[in-house]
Order: sequence, then C-alpha cells, then structure tokens
Amino acid sequence: KAGVTQTPRYLIKTRGQQVTLSCSPISGHRSVSWYQQTPGQGLQFLFEYFSETQRNKGNFPGRFSGRQFSNSRSEMNVSTLELGDSALYLCASSLEVGVSYEQYFGPGTRLTVT
Amino acid sequence: AQSVTQLDSHVSVSEGTPVLLRCNYSSSYSPSLFWYVQHPNKGLQLLLKYTSAATLVKGINGFEAEFKKSETSFHLTKPSAHMSDAAEYFCVVKPGGGNKLTFGTGTQLKVEL
Repeated sequence: KAGVTQTPRYLIKTRGQQVTLSCSPISGHRSVSWYQQTPGQGLQFLFEYFSETQRNKGNFPGRFSGRQFSNSRSEMNVSTLELGDSALYLCASSLEVGVSYEQYFGPGTRLTVT
Repeated sequence: AQSVTQLDSHVSVSEGTPVLLRCNYSSSYSPSLFWYVQHPNKGLQLLLKYTSAATLVKGINGFEAEFKKSETSFHLTKPSAHMSDAAEYFCVVKPGGGNKLTFGTGTQLKVEL
C-alpha cells in the first residue's frame, strides 16, 4: 500500500505570494492533518480534516487554510507569505479505527520564502 | 490541556550500549502516547504507541517504552544502540478524542563508534 504522498517536495516563493500544498493520504484513510515544522517552534499542529470537514484547528493566523476533497486528498494554502512561513510542512493521515489511531506522515514539503 | 516535555535535547551513546530517551507528559484526559523518529530530510516514522493496554510497549527496531502513570513518564529505551539509530526522536501525546497531536521538542540521538 502506498504511503502518504506530498507535492511538491520543495518550493521557493517570494514574500507576499501565496502557495498551495497537496497531500494524498494512504488509501482508505479519511483523516488528514497538517503540521508545520521549524527549528524555532518545532512541530506545530495546523488543522485536521475528516470527511471534507475541518475537525480541529491549531493556533495559526487565517492566512493558513485548507480543504479536503471527496477522495480524502487535502490541500493547504498560505496566502500573503511571510519570511517566517519558511518551514517543512508535514501531512499525516489516519485510519480512525478503534479508540486511538496512529498517524502516518508524508515526507513533507520544504517551503522557502525569500 | 496537554503537553510533553523531553528532558534531553541531545543524547550521545556508543554503539552497542543502551539508549534512554526521557519523556514526561501532562494531559487532562487518558492520553495516547507515541514515539516518532525522524531521520535527516525525511518524514516522521512511528516507533511505538501506548493506548491504555499494556504499560510496556514494544516497537520497531528493538525500541520499547514504559508508561508510568504515577510518574507521568513515557521513556523510550533500546538495549543496544546501532549506528542507524542516529536521528531525532519525538515524544507525542494525543487526547482521548480528536487527532491533534502535541509534540515534544525532540531529542537528537547521536551514536558513536
């Protein structure tokens, strides 16, 4: 079974631009979560989508948004990019069986804002 | 609210010696706890998870962790380190419901010959 895939793997953007990142979950997984990883702040939860609905949201400004499609694929968008948005963006999917279910992570998209 | 504290930012061991990576957690609910590993320029890989069943949890690559409620700890151990274990390790807590993971700050494990 294929793992979580993220595209693109690397991206360079300029301040003020916007960017869209894509995540394809493991087949059959309906929950997709997004995380931001930076050297200063570590790994921080952005949001989670389940069955096309945002179920949880972290403490990020409204410039960060996402959506999920009927096939469970998810995209996240960052508008009006700032230098501080440079980070590794990780997507994770989970199967949601039982009480607790682990999340499987993709390789990430490395975003550099100049 | 939930939080995770990884007590060491860097740990260095010799190959063949035991590994101990320490983690303390705080959670209002019965939490699920995980350890993930991240190799350079790679995503996160799940090592093991605790979900209120057995308190001693065995994971991949010879790692295990023990859940101690009285000490609110979930330390990761391995009897004998291998060079390939060099990576960053994250202790993670998840509340009883929902999928929002809270990560520790990570422990960088260095394995020397």
